[in-house]
Amino acid sequence: AQSVTQLGSHVSVSEGALVLLRCNYSSSVPPYLFWYVQYPNQGLQLLLKYTSAATLVKGINGFEAEFKKSETSFHLTKPSAHMSDAAEYFCAVIPNSGYSTLTFGKGTMLLVSP
Amino acid sequence: KAGVTQTPRYLIKTRGQQVTLSCSPISGHRSVSWYQQTPGQGLQFLFEYFSETQRNKGNFPGRFSGRQFSNSRSEMNVSTLELGDSALYLCASSPGQGPNSPLHFGNGTRLTVT
Repeated sequence: AQSVTQLGSHVSVSEGALVLLRCNYSSSVPPYLFWYVQYPNQGLQLLLKYTSAATLVKGINGFEAEFKKSETSFHLTKPSAHMSDAAEYFCAVIPNSGYSTLTFGKGTMLLVSP
Repeated sequence: KAGVTQTPRYLIKTRGQQVTLSCSPISGHRSVSWYQQTPGQGLQFLFEYFSETQRNKGNFPGRFSGRQFSNSRSEMNVSTLELGDSALYLCASSPGQGPNSPLHFGNGTRLTVT
C-alpha cells in the first residue's frame, strides 16, 4: 500500500530562515501527493497538491514543493519563515485514484522563533 | 461560501455510551469523508460517502458507522464508547471523487470519553 514518511516530528527555524519539511513516498507508480497544514484547534487546510502535472508545485502562503521521482520525495519549502507559519504540517497521498481517501504521514510540527 | 461545519465542537461522554457527530459539507459538494485524529495513531481514515453511498471504509470496528443524507449532510455514530475513542473527529467534503477533488476539512469535533 502506498504511504508517506515525514522525517522529523519537530522542525525549528528562526523567523526569516528557510523552511524545509521532508516527505518521502512509497509507490511504484507516480502518486497523488498533498501537503496540508493544521493550526491549533482547527481542521486541515490544503497547501498544495501534485497530480502528475508540473513537478514544482506552488501553493498558498508562499509554500512550494518539488516532486522528485528519482528520490521518491515531495519536500515542502518556503524561502522565509514567518511567525504565523508555526503549525503542524502533514504530507498525504491518495493510494487509489478512484477515491478521495488520503493516507497521511505522522506530521511535522514547525516551530518559528523570533 | 460557508466551509465545512461540524457539530458539536466538543463532546464529553462516558464509556459504554453512544455518540452521533454531524457534518454539513460545503454547498455543492457531494463527497464526505471522516477521519479520526489521535496523538498516538495520527490521522486515520474512517469512511467516504458519495451521493448517499459508502464508497470506501477504513480499518475500524463495526462500532463506528456513518451515513449520508440526500442533501449531502453526513453523520457518524460510535456505539459502546471506549476510552480509546477519545479523539478529534474531522469531516471533509469535496465536489467529486478522486485526486482532482481535494478535501476541504472542518474544524472537527473533539470527543472525550471518560
